[in-house]
Amino acid sequence: ETGVTQSPTHLIKTRGQQVTLRCSSQSGHNTVSWYQQALGQGPQFIFQYYREEENGRGNFPPRFSGLQFPNYSSELNVNALELDDSALYLCASSFGGAGPGELFFGEGSRLTVL
Amino acid sequence: QQQVKQSPQSLIVQKGGIPIINCAYENTAFDYFPWYQQFPGKGPALLIAIRPDVSEKKEGRFTISFNKSAKQFSLHIMDSQPGDSATYFCAASKGASGSRLTFGEGTQLTVNP
Repeated sequence: ETGVTQSPTHLIKTRGQQVTLRCSSQSGHNTVSWYQQALGQGPQFIFQYYREEENGRGNFPPRFSGLQFPNYSSELNVNALELDDSALYLCASSFGGAGPGELFFGEGSRLTVL
Repeated sequence: QQQVKQSPQSLIVQKGGIPIINCAYENTAFDYFPWYQQFPGKGPALLIAIRPDVSEKKEGRFTISFNKSAKQFSLHIMDSQPGDSATYFCAASKGASGSRLTFGEGTQLTVNP
């Protein structure tokens, strides 16, 4: 059983650029959530995808967007990067759509915006 | 709006001590309360979780105490070990939004040998 994998692990962008982060969910999981974790803070929910559709969104602007593919992998896209977007972006997979249950997190993609 | 408040921000105990981390929530619709453990360079991992129909849950050395009327819950780590040194996050979610967790700000625990 493979765990949640994320890529890239680290990346540096400049303000105004666009970034795409990728996530492969744990085998058998059909739901993917994305979280932003600023340094020294708890993760903040960005959005969730279930069966390739966005199924819940946190307090993030539309320049944060995502996709889920038929194999349940997912992408997080951020346009017009701002300095405050510098953070660890965590992907979590789970099974069962909206119901509560254990989230399995990847190790994250650390984004630095200069 | 901070919906889950966690304290203390950091905690240092000696090996064998019993660190206690506290969380308070505001939204009475929350019905699932997990604790996550995060080591440096790793993603959070589920430690233990509780629902509001019970007041306490134990798994190994980890215990959650839950006070529904006070809207508070806490994590106790019995016989703490240096390997328990990590950042701990409480979280909460409600009903059908299960994977939409609201996290506390975290507690950095150090267990000295």
